[in-house]
Amino acid sequence: QVQLQESGPGLVKSSGTLSLTCAVSGGFISSNNWWIWVRQPPGKGLEWIGEIYHSGSTNYNPSLTSRVTISADTSKNQFSLKLTSVSAADTAVYYCARDSKAGIDSWGQGTLVSVSS
Amino acid sequence: EIVLTQSPATLSLSPGERATLSCRASQSVDTYVAWFQQKPGLAPRLVIYDASNRATDIPARFSGSGSGTDFTLTISSLEPEDFAVYYCQQRSGWPPAATFGGGTKVEIK
Repeated sequence: QVQLQESGPGLVKSSGTLSLTCAVSGGFISSNNWWIWVRQPPGKGLEWIGEIYHSGSTNYNPSLTSRVTISADTSKNQFSLKLTSVSAADTAVYYCARDSKAGIDSWGQGTLVSVSS
Repeated sequence: EIVLTQSPATLSLSPGERATLSCRASQSVDTYVAWFQQKPGLAPRLVIYDASNRATDIPARFSGSGSGTDFTLTISSLEPEDFAVYYCQQRSGWPPAATFGGGTKVEIK
């Protein structure tokens, strides 16, 4: 069973860059799946951020595309999220997950990132 | 961007009752709809994918239906562990992107 674990700073300064990494175990990111990031502001709903395929192909949420970059490191079996020019509106729990042919079937536990002024 | 609208926002029911949750898409998404269950402090859990397929280990009391723009998640007889927030999600359209609905909270009456 594949497992995902997010890591990164829990506090980022306003106008700075949010950087998170998702380590994958029990499976390979070079497999035929999309690897995605989803976020959830406190008390609110889910927002899809974007995804990456092992080939390097990416798709992003149109509302975030100017600020987001998702990359993958197959040698470390991990993928990463960078979000630039953050503001308080980017405070959220960030999840990494696997989107397989049978849906988004594996999720990390999530990590809270707060943006401070 | 395809918008998903879920209704109702809150569903107050008793254990043993039937729950019917709705998800409407702003344009056709074929059958590319999934449903997730989320409990406080936990990551979402996949319940249904491709509109009507139960995910691994999901009990048979959960069923999904629909195609095009209208989708339904039905829980035939609510168990105590089913009280949670449910989100629908689609991945369709061009450029490729996914969106989630706003969620339906199923609470104990």
